[in-house]
Amino acid sequence: GQQLNQSPQSMFIQEGEDVSMNCTSSSIFNTWLWYKQDPGEGPVLLIALYKAGELTSNGRLTAQFGITRKDSFLNISASIPSDVGIYFCAGLGTNAGKSTFGDGTTLTVKP
Amino acid sequence: GAVVSQHPSRVICKSGTSVKIECRSLDFQATTMFWYRQFPKQSLMLMATSNEGSKATYEQGVEKDKFLINHASLTLSTLTVTSAHPEDSSFYICSATLALSNQPQHFGDGTRLSIL
Repeated sequence: GQQLNQSPQSMFIQEGEDVSMNCTSSSIFNTWLWYKQDPGEGPVLLIALYKAGELTSNGRLTAQFGITRKDSFLNISASIPSDVGIYFCAGLGTNAGKSTFGDGTTLTVKP
Repeated sequence: GAVVSQHPSRVICKSGTSVKIECRSLDFQATTMFWYRQFPKQSLMLMATSNEGSKATYEQGVEKDKFLINHASLTLSTLTVTSAHPEDSSFYICSATLALSNQPQHFGDGTRLSIL
């Protein structure tokens, strides 16, 4: 089946630093999604990307849908302590509604 | 934005008890709902896909008689963990989607299940 490789697995950064994480796949996806999960809660959708090459921002977050449709990245600028959590990428293919999820990137921000 | 409500948020019960978890889409009609299980510091593990009015599709290795799923309406799906044992203790999360070609899943806040 389809699989996503998400990296890095974890990151430890200083407050104010920029962060970058990415997902790659051997399969093509029609939609790329980025979620954030706070401890003890469900994932929340941050950004949805619908076209190859699309670059979308949401506040300090920026994500891009790769031209090949097999990858996506998420950048967080000027990190703050509340950015702590697990970030998941997800791809939507032809199986309507059913996303394939990456294994997550755990972000720790030191004040 | 789309809102999915999951209840209860936390359950502590004795071994052998059956536990029901509800997942509701509050502001849209969800043709498809998903149930996930998540162990500490691990990714989301899909358990089953639930389509309104039909039987759920379970992932390999998930016991359908152990984890009963009902999706009786476009806004409600339930997961019942039957005769729960300590190894069933976990974080269970539901999600809902319109199941159109590019519609993302929206997640509930999860249920922390602890079996004593």
